[in-house]
Amino acid sequence: KNEVEQSPQNLTAQEGEFITINCSYSVGISALHWLQQHPGGGIVSLFMLSSGKKKHGRLIATINIQEKHSSLHITASHPRDSAVYICAVRSETSGSRLTFGEGTQLTVNP
Amino acid sequence: DTGVSQDPRHKITKRGQNVTFRCDPISEHNRLYWYRQTLGQGPEFLTYFQNEAQLEKSRLLSDRFSAERPKGSFSTLEIQRTEQGDSAMYLCASSLDGPSYNEQFFGPGTRLTVL
Repeated sequence: KNEVEQSPQNLTAQEGEFITINCSYSVGISALHWLQQHPGGGIVSLFMLSSGKKKHGRLIATINIQEKHSSLHITASHPRDSAVYICAVRSETSGSRLTFGEGTQLTVNP
Repeated sequence: DTGVSQDPRHKITKRGQNVTFRCDPISEHNRLYWYRQTLGQGPEFLTYFQNEAQLEKSRLLSDRFSAERPKGSFSTLEIQRTEQGDSAMYLCASSLDGPSYNEQFFGPGTRLTVL
């Protein structure tokens, strides 16, 4: 079992829909990242969380440390949101390395 | 553009050849990380540097792989005697770490194809 599990693996939505991507992890962490990866490979950091909730534009990230679970929400989704969304954690014992989930491929259709 | 650059962006090589990739981090960042990502998977940690010191290496980093950061600025990742299983995206990231942990900024990656 991977230390970081994401669901769903693939998600197709219509423009305007509210989207949720989930991340569960099995280790104690000091930080959790949500990352966005477009075709071609470049990774952009969306959020870094250690508790609570963060919001940036149409994106909201939440984390529940007790339940070892985080969610990424996209409100009013748009085709330009189509990308792979990756959850990554920095565990309490792993130094600075990140451990990544396998990613969620999001496709938003017009 | 995150400020982290990688060169080359694409590399096609024949099995058995050596390849070297370069990463230039954000200039004031003291930590530099290498990750590998195969198709359809999330990235996996390879190694990281604090300034010029290589502090941690993954078991994924076989004897054919070597990484350096000689002056604490840019880094190189060399793969000797490449194998088809080395085909992947090689990602570099950097961060400024001090008393608290700061986020990592990723480069665009180098896509390696071994024929």
